[in-house]
Amino acid sequence: NAGVTQTPKFQVLKTGQSMTLQCAQDMNHNSMYWYRQDPGMGLRLIYYSASEGTTDKGEVPNGYNVSRLNKREFSLRLESAAPSQTSVYFCASSEYGRDPYEQYFGPGTRLTVT
Amino acid sequence: AQSVAQPEDQVNVAEGNPLTVKCTYSVSGNPYLFWYVQYPNRGLQFLLKYITGDNLVKGSYGFEAEFNKSQTSFHLKKPSALVSDSALYFCAVRDKRNTPLVFGKGTRLSVIA
Repeated sequence: NAGVTQTPKFQVLKTGQSMTLQCAQDMNHNSMYWYRQDPGMGLRLIYYSASEGTTDKGEVPNGYNVSRLNKREFSLRLESAAPSQTSVYFCASSEYGRDPYEQYFGPGTRLTVT
Repeated sequence: AQSVAQPEDQVNVAEGNPLTVKCTYSVSGNPYLFWYVQYPNRGLQFLLKYITGDNLVKGSYGFEAEFNKSQTSFHLKKPSALVSDSALYFCAVRDKRNTPLVFGKGTRLSVIA
């Protein structure tokens, strides 16, 4: 199993450009998440999808949109990139059910907006 | 609202010595607590979790964590540190089974040979 995969690994954008970060998991998990990691800030939740067909905002949703394409895939879109969106983006997935399952993380996408 | 505090940005320890990485939490109900490790240029890896039961939880790579309800703490420990333990450690909490994890800001552990 590949686990959680993310593409691309690196990206440089100019201010105002748009892009979509892709995430896929092969663990048959119901829930998927997008976080951003900034120095000294830890991981902050952008959006999540508790199950296929649902999405909810997290702590820092402004400037982002998401699509839960199917059970496996959850994409994050930046419509008009800003330098403040320079960050490392992590996708994660987990089971959904009776137990508080841990989240499994992808390798990350390092995004620079100039 | 739930939150996690990791009071130390950096912890330095000599190889072979015991290590502790501190975490305190705040939740409205019963806490579900997690520790993750991040090596350079990698994603986060799950180490261990506390759901209920024994206050001492054992996890991967010889790590363990002690849940203390009265002090609202969940400190990560290892009896004998290795240089290869040098990494960024995150504590995380959720107050309901299926809500996203809330992470602390991370503690950088440096183990010196």
